[in-house]
Amino acid sequence: DAKTTQPPSMDCAEGRAANLPCNHSTISGNEYVYWYRQIHSQGPQYIIHGLKNNETNEMASLIITEDRKSSTLILPHATLRDTAVYYCIAPQTSGSRLTFGEGTQLTVNP
Amino acid sequence: GAGVSQSPRYKVTKRGQDVALRCDPISGHVSLYWYRQALGQGPEFLTYFNYEAQQDKSGLPNDRFSAERPEGSISTLTIQRTEQRDSAMYRCASSGQGAYGTEAFFGQGTRLTVV
Repeated sequence: DAKTTQPPSMDCAEGRAANLPCNHSTISGNEYVYWYRQIHSQGPQYIIHGLKNNETNEMASLIITEDRKSSTLILPHATLRDTAVYYCIAPQTSGSRLTFGEGTQLTVNP
Repeated sequence: GAGVSQSPRYKVTKRGQDVALRCDPISGHVSLYWYRQALGQGPEFLTYFNYEAQQDKSGLPNDRFSAERPEGSISTLTIQRTEQRDSAMYRCASSGQGAYGTEAFFGQGTRLTVV
């Protein structure tokens, strides 16, 4: 897996956009970037993934730089329920292990 | 079922006993993963299967840990001669097969406490 680096914590005001960065400078051409989050004691929850192009779904948007060395997960209107640890992962191949690092603890404040 | 099911949800066992943790993946999912998570830490990879074949067991901490998925569906993670350091949340996940890029769905986990 490509090594990923994320800030340990971030704060965001409720209703504002939360932008979570991830560096993955050693990513190879066929490695996707995945984002998961874990709310308190629940199991990790898939958010979004992408390869080269920016992606958007009902949960978030993923912006990947042209050189693919970094990406940003965007929660457009953060709510208190978005408080969680967010993990950026770049597994070697589809169907292979997901290596969770330390992630970013996002705290959404009222 | 609708999601990944793990049983039991909670298991308390005495040191030295063997335990078996069960994972029932989403129907039709090819890949199945086992993770262990200590309090305040991210999930730690243990092993994964594609169908019945164990593809990667590099995360199993020692030979007391083993896993099987004999028919490519339900999987069992077995810990022999449990030790207190084995206490953790054990999580299972499954994902479908297909082109690059598939999401993994996690179960609620089994909380193992070794006393």
